[in-house]
Amino acid sequence: VLTQSPATLSLSPGERATLSCRASQSVDTYLAWYQQKPGQAPRLLIYDASKRASGIPARFSGSGSGTDFTLAISSLEPEDFAVYYCQQRTNWLTFGGGTKVEIK
Amino acid sequence: QAQLQESGPGLVKPSETLSLTCSVSGDSIGIYYWNWIRQPPGKRPEWIGFVYFSGDTYYNPSLESRVTMSVDASKNQFSLNLSSVTAADTAIYYCARRLVASNFAFDIWGPGIMVTVSS
Repeated sequence: VLTQSPATLSLSPGERATLSCRASQSVDTYLAWYQQKPGQAPRLLIYDASKRASGIPARFSGSGSGTDFTLAISSLEPEDFAVYYCQQRTNWLTFGGGTKVEIK
Repeated sequence: QAQLQESGPGLVKPSETLSLTCSVSGDSIGIYYWNWIRQPPGKRPEWIGFVYFSGDTYYNPSLESRVTMSVDASKNQFSLNLSSVTAADTAIYYCARRLVASNFAFDIWGPGIMVTVSS
């Protein structure tokens, strides 16, 4: 089970965002992060806990291993306000409940 | 860059079988793992399973008894059948490609198709 916190993060453009994802058991570094905007499919940002997917800006970074993971957005751009999901692979694949990053 | 497009009925009756197809363009269906993922409105995504271009499959244990996936390489398509559907199967259904560099992340997604289960 993946638990994301906080459920909602209210920030202003230019601020730093820090999102958390906690696994109920170790997933090593088998963790990915996605961004989803209304009416769109999720977009892969980070895989293997810290590797940026192709075309993803450097302001997005991932860290962690085992059970505790973090997605950081160094300076929020207007297009970064969205819902973020983490995803893990153990015996099968599951997603966290999401964190909504909204404009303050 | 590969592009994916889901197709199929948007409305399915309870107890019937939901059947969807994903068409792949811009790349060959070969060497990749092709996945189905669904997302009830306002909820988290749920992975359904994958089919490899060879035809090998692996399903989410919670859905395994009702799921069948297949691939048609001649048409560059793969398909999902979900039997005995109920209202709980109402969701946006996405097809997605697994990233080659990872064995679990999905780098390319279709736009999704909303499927409602209702009589």
